[in-house]
Amino acid sequence: KAGVTQTPRYLIKTRGQQVTLSCSPISGHRSVSWYQQTPGQGLQFLFEYFSETQRNKGNFPGRFSGRQFSNSRSEMNVSTLELGDSALYLCASSGDRVHEQYFGPGTRLTVT
Amino acid sequence: DAKTTQPPSMDCAEGRAANLPCNHSTISGNEYVYWYRQIHSQGPQYIIHGLKNNETNEMASLIITEDRKSSTLILPHATLRDTAVYYCIAVNTGTASKLTFGTGTRLQVTL
Repeated sequence: KAGVTQTPRYLIKTRGQQVTLSCSPISGHRSVSWYQQTPGQGLQFLFEYFSETQRNKGNFPGRFSGRQFSNSRSEMNVSTLELGDSALYLCASSGDRVHEQYFGPGTRLTVT
Repeated sequence: DAKTTQPPSMDCAEGRAANLPCNHSTISGNEYVYWYRQIHSQGPQYIIHGLKNNETNEMASLIITEDRKSSTLILPHATLRDTAVYYCIAVNTGTASKLTFGTGTRLQVTL
């Protein structure tokens, strides 16, 4: 089975811009979760989508949003980028056992 | 989810077994123990999980003590590619899917 894929792998944006990241889950997985990882804060949960609906949400401002399509692919969007949004953004998919998550390689976002 | 405690770092010689301990003394009866690892600059990787019985898969073995207050992840023949940060977490599978990692154990496998 192909693993979780994320595009793009690297991105450089300027403060105030917006960005959209994409995630394709493992075939058959309906749950997609997004995480932000920084050296200072570690891994932080953003949100989870299941069958096109947001099922869980972390403590991030409304500038962070996401969606899931009928084929389970997911996108996350960050608007009005801030320097502190520089991070590795990870997507993970899971099947019936939602805590058995399979992560993609991540998108490294740098905001200048 | 119960708090877990792991040593910050460990070394292991290549070819030897790596035994990574985890303390979860406040774990409740319906919480599973999950192990993940993260190799530098990659996404975390699921390794194994268990409730109370010992578990083994192609990557590792998980030994959970009878009182479930601690567990050990065993990599039977560590290789250089096993150098990573290993995270042990206690998860109530009836709750939200989010994973919360602590600081984990940095395993360094050496020649």
